[in-house]
Amino acid sequence: AQTVTQSQPEMSVQEAETVTLSCTYDTSENNYYLFWYKQPPSRQMILVIRQEAYKQQNATENRFSVNFQKAAKSFSLKISDSQLGDTAMYFCAFMKPKAAGNKLTFGGGTRVLVKP
Amino acid sequence: DTGVSQNPRHKITKRGQNVTFRCDPISEHNRLYWYRQTLGQGPEFLTYFQNEAQLEKSRLLSDRFSAERPKGSFSTLEIQRTEQGDSAMYLCASSQERLAHNEQFFGPGTRLTVL
Repeated sequence: AQTVTQSQPEMSVQEAETVTLSCTYDTSENNYYLFWYKQPPSRQMILVIRQEAYKQQNATENRFSVNFQKAAKSFSLKISDSQLGDTAMYFCAFMKPKAAGNKLTFGGGTRVLVKP
Repeated sequence: DTGVSQNPRHKITKRGQNVTFRCDPISEHNRLYWYRQTLGQGPEFLTYFQNEAQLEKSRLLSDRFSAERPKGSFSTLEIQRTEQGDSAMYLCASSQERLAHNEQFFGPGTRLTVL
């Protein structure tokens, strides 16, 4: 079974600065997807960014980028130019294609607080 | 389309009572998932449907839990004889298998409190 670990329960960052969230995972699979989801307070979870394991290039989405290290099984998220609206729980998630209809396995989450 | 909706948003019940939650997925999505999220933790997979067929259930889904998706559209999750350990946020998500990367779209969740 796959496991996902987020070792930072909480992080704070000043507005406009950069914060990096760590995620490690354990799998014997070679083909899989990794995701970062954002869950704002009392609001629904939304996808921030995804990475296909077969792609060496790190994914980027505007101010969000990842550092995917397949051999190390590491998948960190960098939030640049942090904004107050980035305050949320962030979850790293793993998906093995074709398994249980592509169910997601989540880490325990990192709470990010952006301070003005 | 306004996205995935879940009702009720909050439910408080006494131990031993039965509760039922409803999820309405995005209309063209053929896959529907249920997850459970306890306080301070990440969501855990419970079960998923492809159209009306329930194709996998987690070991977390005890005999007191049952889920249905009778016409391949909305889904219900019922918990019988609730226990305090059932207190959690129950999340529903939907996806369309033909969409790129099978992205799952989440609803706002139903927060269950068992007294």
